[in-house]
Formats: sequence, C-alpha cells, structure tokens
Amino acid sequence: DADVTQTPRNRITKTGKRIMLECSQTKGHDRMYWYRQDPGLGLRLIYYSFDVKDINKGEISDGYSVSRQAQAKFSLSLESAIPNQTALYFCATARDYNSPLHFGNGTRLTVT
Amino acid sequence: RKEVEQDPGPFNVPEGATVAFNCTYSNSASQSFFWYRQDCRKEPKLLMSVYSSGNEDGRFTAQLNRASQYISLLIRDSKLSDSATYLCVEGDSSYKLIFGSGTRLLVRP
Repeated sequence: DADVTQTPRNRITKTGKRIMLECSQTKGHDRMYWYRQDPGLGLRLIYYSFDVKDINKGEISDGYSVSRQAQAKFSLSLESAIPNQTALYFCATARDYNSPLHFGNGTRLTVT
Repeated sequence: RKEVEQDPGPFNVPEGATVAFNCTYSNSASQSFFWYRQDCRKEPKLLMSVYSSGNEDGRFTAQLNRASQYISLLIRDSKLSDSATYLCVEGDSSYKLIFGSGTRLLVRP
C-alpha cells in the first residue's frame, strides 16, 4: 500500500462546480503539502500544514481551500472550478523542515 | 525571478555515457537540497539528498557549491531506465521547498 494516497486519480468536472481532492498518509508525518504541476512551470505550492491546527497559504492559494481533518488527512477544495485549474495535483508529506518530501501518486484534474 | 533555475534540456545521450546537470539557487541561507526523479505523469520520487560534503549513490553523485550557489547531479554509465525528468529542490530554513522546472534526460540505445 502506498504511504501517501490521493483520491481520485482522475477527475473531469465542469466550470463552477465544487470539487474536493483527498490525501491520506500512513507515514506519521506532521507536515503535509498540496502542489500543482503544469507543463513547463514545475511544482507550485498551494497550501501547507505543519499540524492539525496550522494551515498556511502557499504561492498560489487563490481559488483553493484546505482542511486538515487529522494528522493523516489533508484535503484540497476548489470552491468554484475554472478551466485554468486544470493540472496535475500532488499531495506530499515531510517529517520536518530539513527532510525530503514524499509524494502521493497525483490527481489529474480537468475542468471543462 | 525564478529562484531555482535548471536547463530544461532535453539532454540526449547514448547508453553508457556520463551526463551532468547543474541547478542554481538564489537563497544563500538555504539549508537543504535534493534531487528528485519524475517519470512522465507520475509523482516525483526522491533520488538523493545533497550534502555539503557531496553525496554518492552508485552511479549517481550530487555536489553542492555554496560559493557559486549551485548543485549538480552526475550520472555515470547511463541506462535506458535513467530517462526521466530530474528536479532540483532547494529548502530554506522554514517551510519552503522550491522546485526547479526540471531537466529532461533521454538515454538512447
């Protein structure tokens, strides 16, 4: 079983719909992150959380919100999806600030 | 201004070749550095951490040059299976891990 699991793997939705991407981990890490990846732009940080009570905006948080339901769960919501949110989304965890990230297998989101 | 710069490539090399990638970073106070490998449409996977003293793992060697603010990845005896995109990552003293856009490597038979 994967240590960091994302659901769904693929999703197609329409403009204006609300959608939630879920991430769960069994690594016991406190730090969790959401990134999006677009061709040629690399990975960009949307939100991050250092523990259940700590949520922080990343560089591209507009149009997104998150919820840290437990140490192991961190979900990303698009309140009203728009086509330029079409991207590959990754959840990641880390043990501490000097540790590498461990990624989930990604969610491919298409907004039509 | 992009904080982590990588040559996007592609680097097209024959099997058995030695290939090197560099990556420049902008924050002289950054504490940690990593190389990740990413296959098409898959998640990035940690290849190796980069230490001040350098780091070697089999055919892969990573170096950090703080004076010139770059890190490097050397791959010896390239295999077909090394074909992928290699991401350079800079970590500062707080939360932020900054990813480069990646360097694409193609190893041909």
